[in-house]
Amino acid sequence: EAQVTQNPRYLITVTGKKLTVTCSQNMNHEYMSWYRQDPGLGLRQIYYSMNVEVTDKGDVPEGYKVSRKEKRNFPLILESPSPNQTSLYFCASSLNRGGGGYTFGSGTRLTVV
Amino acid sequence: AQSVTQLGSHVSVSEGALVLLRCNYSSSVPPYLFWYVQYPNQGLQLLLKYTSAATLVKGINGFEAEFKKSETSFHLTKPSAHMSDAAEYFCAVSDFKTSYDKVIFGPGTSLSVIP
Repeated sequence: EAQVTQNPRYLITVTGKKLTVTCSQNMNHEYMSWYRQDPGLGLRQIYYSMNVEVTDKGDVPEGYKVSRKEKRNFPLILESPSPNQTSLYFCASSLNRGGGGYTFGSGTRLTVV
Repeated sequence: AQSVTQLGSHVSVSEGALVLLRCNYSSSVPPYLFWYVQYPNQGLQLLLKYTSAATLVKGINGFEAEFKKSETSFHLTKPSAHMSDAAEYFCAVSDFKTSYDKVIFGPGTSLSVIP
């Protein structure tokens, strides 16, 4: 089944403790992206990647890092999480550049205390 | 920068009634436009997309949307609402000016269907 898999689904952590949210897709998509969803704000793009080793900032990149060492994986790294990063995070991938629409993962609900 | 507005953060319709969810975008160049649906505790699912072909786009689950350049709108409609349509709906635009990969989402409209 074609899908984007995120792990974990739920995570509670403490301020400053480094964490990684994994994202993997099995569709051989070149384009991948991370979004955060907050009430009343919709989805805001954190980072995106156009191919292996090619990444760029979205609208809200502060406090996040990404890497794209393999085509299928696009992990999101929070080096020193803070409470304002408490949010629902989605990974997404796309075959076509912009025009094809994204396939989304099921989301990761992160709470930073 | 491009932006997307969705009029009405919450819309309620009766089962069997017309569904109309509004979306307007700001752009001097026709962008790519999308509607996504999000069911509770799930990720977003692509409903339909406009990519500069036919202005009336048909999607899944009986939804369709019409691109109107003069109004910079891409409203989503469904002739007859079903209980299973209750969900959050997001309009999105692909930002041509900076990168095709930058997809900007509207704030969302929560649709309730009353029996």
